[in-house]
Amino acid sequence: GAVVSQHPSRVICKSGTSVKIECRSLDFQATTMFWYRQFPKQSLMLMATSNEGSKATYEQGVEKDKFLINHASLTLSTLTVTSAHPEDSSFYICSASFGSKSREQYFGPGTRLTVT
Amino acid sequence: AQSVTQLDSQVPVFEEAPVELRCNYSSSVSVYLFWYVQYPNQGLQLLLKYLSGSTLVKSINGFEAEFNKSQTSFHLRKPSVHISDTAEYFCAVSEVNAGNMLTFGGGTRLMVKP
Repeated sequence: GAVVSQHPSRVICKSGTSVKIECRSLDFQATTMFWYRQFPKQSLMLMATSNEGSKATYEQGVEKDKFLINHASLTLSTLTVTSAHPEDSSFYICSASFGSKSREQYFGPGTRLTVT
Repeated sequence: AQSVTQLDSQVPVFEEAPVELRCNYSSSVSVYLFWYVQYPNQGLQLLLKYLSGSTLVKSINGFEAEFNKSQTSFHLRKPSVHISDTAEYFCAVSEVNAGNMLTFGGGTRLMVKP
């Protein structure tokens, strides 16, 4: 149980275009989803936390207008990288939990974004 | 705010040797502790966790970790490693009664050599 999927697993886009990454909880309702960014050989950096039906809470230094997060349902959250640039190339990982009282996060397999 | 330090960025070890990956944390309140493993180009998989009770926790594939409150540590150990254990290992903490926000350590790359 507690499976989280991400789509796509890899995406290559041209500079200036936008790309959407989906995160789905397959067998549970995720009231809270998290988006992380991971640079090569580094740890995960939390970008934002989203609760279903409300606006995402962004971490300091993360541009909310560039990284649009939508948590429209209890099983789906999307991250849209707008006007992507090569420096946005990274590994993006989402996780989901049952809510603030849940003690665990369940992680997706990640999405490798390459901006050319 | 809590913080997590993984003292070793890389740990090379020969197959069948024992290994310890160190993790220390700082927090002003009680915490939950986690170890995650990440294989190349994959997401994180929960290896083991300490929430309460026995301070020694074990995974199904032979890893164990012990919560030491006085030393604020949660070191990960395995008595005999396999080539397939080669991966990145992340220690993480979340504060009790503060939701489920995780703070990650910098990660330790375990490299098992034949």
